[in-house]
Amino acid sequence: NAGVMQNPRHLVRRRGQEARLRCSPMKGHSHVYWYRQLPEEGLKFMVYLQKENIIDESGMPKERFSAEFPKEGPSILRIQQVVRGDSAAYFCASSPPNSGRGDEQFFGPGTRLTVL
Amino acid sequence: GDSVTQMEGPVTLSEEAFLTINCTYTATGYPSLFWYVQYPGEGLQLLLKATKADDKGSNKGFEATYRKETTSFHLEKGSVQVSDSAVYFCAVSDRDSSNTGKLIFGQGTTLQVKP
Repeated sequence: NAGVMQNPRHLVRRRGQEARLRCSPMKGHSHVYWYRQLPEEGLKFMVYLQKENIIDESGMPKERFSAEFPKEGPSILRIQQVVRGDSAAYFCASSPPNSGRGDEQFFGPGTRLTVL
Repeated sequence: GDSVTQMEGPVTLSEEAFLTINCTYTATGYPSLFWYVQYPGEGLQLLLKATKADDKGSNKGFEATYRKETTSFHLEKGSVQVSDSAVYFCAVSDRDSSNTGKLIFGQGTTLQVKP
């Protein structure tokens, strides 16, 4: 049973370009979370999605960032017009349907975004 | 809002030494508590968890007890190994309020174990 998949593992963009990060949750999981890890910091929640729905986007920057989790295919985190401050590791986590507060989230290996 | 505070690192220990990494939290409702570990270049892996007061989570020789009275969840191991070198994150999750189960992480504590 494959774990959470993220691609690309490393992404380099120049300022002003767009970055698209993909996350395929574990088989059978319908909840996806995105977290950002800035250098020397802990992970910060960005957004929580279920299939075709954004449930909680309280951690998303108001501009340039968007996320989706379509009925078919991976979840996408999209960053438009990237700036150097967007350089970070972006982690996706998934959990099963009906998962509760005590349930584990399963993390992917992350995408390390570098903005030149 | 919810928050987690961990002791600052890095923590450097010799092999077989005793480890404690302190973690305290603030949260509404009835949070679940977690310790995750991140090895270099990898994602996070769940190390252990506790879902109610006085529960003890344990795994791979690591332990942590949910102390509601002191709002703490300190991580301990009696004898560390070089392979335990990693970054350790304490986290809380509270789905009983309007929270959606998202994890709130501490800043992480880097552990380095020397032979």
